[in-house]
Amino acid sequence: AQTVTQSQPEMSVQEAETVTLSCTYDTSENNYYLFWYKQPPSRQMILVIRQEAYKQQNATENRFSVNFQKAAKSFSLKISDSQLGDTAMYFCAFMKRGRGMRFGAGTRLTVKP
Amino acid sequence: DTEVTQTPKHLVMGMTNKKSLKCEQHMGHRAMYWYKQKAKKPPELMFVYSYEKLSINESVPSRFSPECPNSSLLNLHLHALQPEDSALYLCASSQDWDGNYGYTFGSGTRLTVV
Repeated sequence: AQTVTQSQPEMSVQEAETVTLSCTYDTSENNYYLFWYKQPPSRQMILVIRQEAYKQQNATENRFSVNFQKAAKSFSLKISDSQLGDTAMYFCAFMKRGRGMRFGAGTRLTVKP
Repeated sequence: DTEVTQTPKHLVMGMTNKKSLKCEQHMGHRAMYWYKQKAKKPPELMFVYSYEKLSINESVPSRFSPECPNSSLLNLHLHALQPEDSALYLCASSQDWDGNYGYTFGSGTRLTVV
């Protein structure tokens, strides 16, 4: 079974600063997908970024980027120029094709003005 | 339409009631999913509808029963629930059968069992 570990239950960052959220996972698979989702108080899960395991290049989406280290099974999320609207719960997720998405415990991020 | 719509948004039911949660998407997505999320916990996968068949997480009790009338609608029938079943129930869909591009989630149904 695959497990996803987020070791930072809570983090905070000043507006306009950069913050990195960590995620590690355990799998024996070679082909899989990794995701970061945010869940604001409105409770809807929103896809932030996606990484395909067979691609070495780190994914980026505007202010969001990942550091994907396949050998270390690490998948961290960097948020640059943090904004108040980034305040949310962030979940790291692992998915093996067709097996359903599994989430880590989450990191609660607070962006302070 | 780029949404997954869940109804109702809130539901309070007794332990002897029968109710249903509805999830609908009109994006032409091929697969749909039900998740259960307890407070301050991550979503947990309950059911997958993909490749035109339902897959069930074996740990889900039989008092939860999914139904997929068509490719855009996924219901969750509830019967004889327990108070510990109170949670946020999230529905999601994916554009491909395997979900490789990620899921689009609805806003959830907040269920309270009394």
